[in-house]
Amino acid sequence: GAVVSQHPSWVICKSGTSVKIECRSLDFQATTMFWYRQFPKQSLMLMATSNEGSKATYEQGVEKDKFLINHASLTLSTLTVTSAHPEDSSFYICSAPTSGHTQYFGPGTRLTVL
Amino acid sequence: GESVGLHLPTLSVQEGDNSIINCAYSNSASDYFIWYKQESGKGPQFIIDIRSNMDKRQGQRVTVLLNKTVKHLSLQIAATQPGDSAVYFCAENLNNNNDMRFGAGTRLTVKP
Repeated sequence: GAVVSQHPSWVICKSGTSVKIECRSLDFQATTMFWYRQFPKQSLMLMATSNEGSKATYEQGVEKDKFLINHASLTLSTLTVTSAHPEDSSFYICSAPTSGHTQYFGPGTRLTVL
Repeated sequence: GESVGLHLPTLSVQEGDNSIINCAYSNSASDYFIWYKQESGKGPQFIIDIRSNMDKRQGQRVTVLLNKTVKHLSLQIAATQPGDSAVYFCAENLNNNNDMRFGAGTRLTVKP
């Protein structure tokens, strides 16, 4: 199957700082990527759709100024959590669809905000 | 795609038994379905998929059944092993695009 990577796999930061998470499709190109967050023992919650060459589409209730998304190329999308607070601590996961519309997920990034 | 954040239902089985995980999907127009497995602390992993022109597809130790009449999808795992312990969720694809919708997921626990 297709491979999607994320970096970093975990990060700990102080409250008020910004954190950037990268999502890369390693062996295929993706004009669209998706960002999810997941709280313990819960399902995935879609945050936004990252679109190469255009603005991201955010789900209702997700602050676009807080969660900045940049789809820099056909293989890279970044999510920046700005002015992070402890309530932003979560597991962030990206996914990218292949041309056959099968979505492959990254390994996730564990964010802990102190 | 979209998903709903809910606390997960659970299924507990004995090692060696067969497991059946069920999923009800929402849109009768969905034409592509995927089962994912998510282990603790990891991203979801593709297991098996099925298109709407089929009602059954088999993989290695896994079988997916699709009942379009009642919009129901199931994942059967044969001879369940401790390594199968994870959260499993289904996804449906609408209109052959990237709009995937995910189920709430089921936590499978395998008892030795």
